[in-house]
Amino acid sequence: RKEVEQDPGPFNVPEGATVAFNCTYSNSASQSFFWYRQDCRKEPKLLMSVYSSGNEDGRFTAQLNRASQYISLLIRDSKLSDSATYLCVVNPGTGRRALTFGSGTRLQVQP
Amino acid sequence: DTGVSQDPRHKITKRGQNVTFRCDPISEHNRLYWYRQTLGQGPEFLTYFQNEAQLEKSRLLSDRFSAERPKGSFSTLEIQRTEQGDSAMYLCASSDTGPAGYGYTFGSGTRLTVV
Repeated sequence: RKEVEQDPGPFNVPEGATVAFNCTYSNSASQSFFWYRQDCRKEPKLLMSVYSSGNEDGRFTAQLNRASQYISLLIRDSKLSDSATYLCVVNPGTGRRALTFGSGTRLQVQP
Repeated sequence: DTGVSQDPRHKITKRGQNVTFRCDPISEHNRLYWYRQTLGQGPEFLTYFQNEAQLEKSRLLSDRFSAERPKGSFSTLEIQRTEQGDSAMYLCASSDTGPAGYGYTFGSGTRLTVV
């Protein structure tokens, strides 16, 4: 079983739609959680950190459910520029500094 | 110094040759990481340095791979006797002394093709 699992998609949505991605992680000791965005053939860039209380940044809302070990990302009012791969990322804790990435979910926003 | 720099951007090499990549982190960052990413997958952790000390190594870092950060600034990743399976994007990232996982900045990567 992969440490971080995501639906690879692609999710094809029209502009203005609301889309949600989920991700599950296997290590219950994981301590920090993130969503990264990666454009084609570019490096990953931090979209937002994810907190247990849930957090919002403009059109983006992230949620963490520690009991069920899943993380979600909601994008409202999708823009063409949101088209990218969204990577669910976990720090496994126990003193480790590495990040564990999911395989990513591809989003294509269509006009 | 506006970001993490990696050199070269692209490298094509013949199977069996050795290659070396360089990463220059953000100057005030004391932590440096190497990841590898293949098509359709997320980045996979290879190794981590705090200053010049290599503190974590993944099982992916076989004995053909070696990484150094001799003066706690730039780092090099060498792959000896390259194999076709080594073809990937090699990403370097750096971070400061914040909590684990926070403050990462990735470089643009070195794309390796082994033919």
